[in-house]
Amino acid sequence: RKEVEQDPGPFNVPEGATVAFNCTYSNSASQSFFWYRQDCRKEPKLLMSVYSSGNEDGRFTAQLNRASQYISLLIRDSKLSDSATYLCVVNGNDMRFGAGTRLTVKP
Amino acid sequence: DAGVIQSPRHEVTEMGQEVTLRCKPISGHDYLFWYRQTMMRGLELLIYFNNNVPIDDSGMPEDRFSAKMPNASFSTLKIQPSEPRDSAVYFCASSPGQGDEQYFGPGTRLTVT
Repeated sequence: RKEVEQDPGPFNVPEGATVAFNCTYSNSASQSFFWYRQDCRKEPKLLMSVYSSGNEDGRFTAQLNRASQYISLLIRDSKLSDSATYLCVVNGNDMRFGAGTRLTVKP
Repeated sequence: DAGVIQSPRHEVTEMGQEVTLRCKPISGHDYLFWYRQTMMRGLELLIYFNNNVPIDDSGMPEDRFSAKMPNASFSTLKIQPSEPRDSAVYFCASSPGQGDEQYFGPGTRLTVT
């Protein structure tokens, strides 16, 4: 079993849609969690950290469920510019990246 | 701050040649990471350093790969001899502390023919 697993997608959604990604992790001792965004042929960039109580940044909401060992990312009112690959990252003994979920937002 | 700097941005070399990739982390960051990304395998951690000391190199694929960090502002990843299956994008990243978010450089796109 991989340490961090994501649905690879692709997710194809129309502009304005709400889309959610989930990510599961195997190391119950993991302490910190992040979502990164990677555009085609670019480096991964931090989108947001994920806090135990959940957190929101504009149209983006991140949740952590320690009991079930998963994190989620919700994007509301999706924009064309949200098209990218979203990577979940879990820090246990070291940082582990999921394989990424590809999102395409269409007009 | 200029962010993490990597060079070269692109490298095309022939099989058997030595390849050296370079990285300058963000000033003040104690951790430096080397990753490799391919379509097939995604983002793989190769090695990471804490205060210039290699901590975990279990991700280094084989003895052809080596990494050094002679000081806090410079690291190299060397492949000798290179093989076509080494073709990938190699990213360097740095972070302030253990478990903190990582900041990636633009990557080096390596093609071995």
